[in-house]
Amino acid sequence: QVQLVQSGSELKKPGASVKVSCKASGYSFGHNAMNWVRQAPGQGLEWMGWINTNSGNPTYAQGFTGRFVFSLDTSVSTAYLEISSLEAEDTAVYYCAREDNLSGTSVDLFDYWGQGTLVTVSS
Amino acid sequence: AIQMTQSPSSLSASVGDRVTITCRASQGIRNDLGWYQQKPGKAPKLLIYAASTLQSGVPSRFSGRGSGTDFTLTISSLQPEDFATYYCLQDFNYPRTFGQGTKVEIK
Repeated sequence: QVQLVQSGSELKKPGASVKVSCKASGYSFGHNAMNWVRQAPGQGLEWMGWINTNSGNPTYAQGFTGRFVFSLDTSVSTAYLEISSLEAEDTAVYYCAREDNLSGTSVDLFDYWGQGTLVTVSS
Repeated sequence: AIQMTQSPSSLSASVGDRVTITCRASQGIRNDLGWYQQKPGKAPKLLIYAASTLQSGVPSRFSGRGSGTDFTLTISSLQPEDFATYYCLQDFNYPRTFGQGTKVEIK
């Protein structure tokens, strides 16, 4: 069965970096794009961008350029989100979400999600 | 970016009630819309894609309608496990955008 397992909660000081992992299993990793979604405390879902798991090419939403980096290690079917120069406003739960595309259609959907990783930034 | 506006932002309902949530896109998105359910402390779960197609395993009391700019998610008979926050998400173009969410609470 398809699973996305994310790394555990992180407590970081302002200015530090954090790397969140999302390990996929149960399917061919390169077959589906991986998206990242942020949820600040008590807030809604915010799409951060996605990474092509074949080419490794990332696409970032506005507001997530510069300090945010998506990467892959295809040898272990894992996607990563790294955030540098952390700020208090980066405190949030970060989710990875597998994107499936229905063959021959324009339909895309986020069908499997990681359990979320809480990143807390506090001095 | 396409703006997705959900209404209401919250509602109170009783078990057995029929509940409808609306999502409006700032421009036409064909039927490129999904609905997701999120319970506290949990990851979102896909309910409906392509505006009206029920994801495998999702109870038939959930249904979706709409095309273009106006979409609805209906729960025909609210069950205790349905109390959650619901989000729409457009997959018509990039950047993907979520609605702000609708919290369904117990009356």
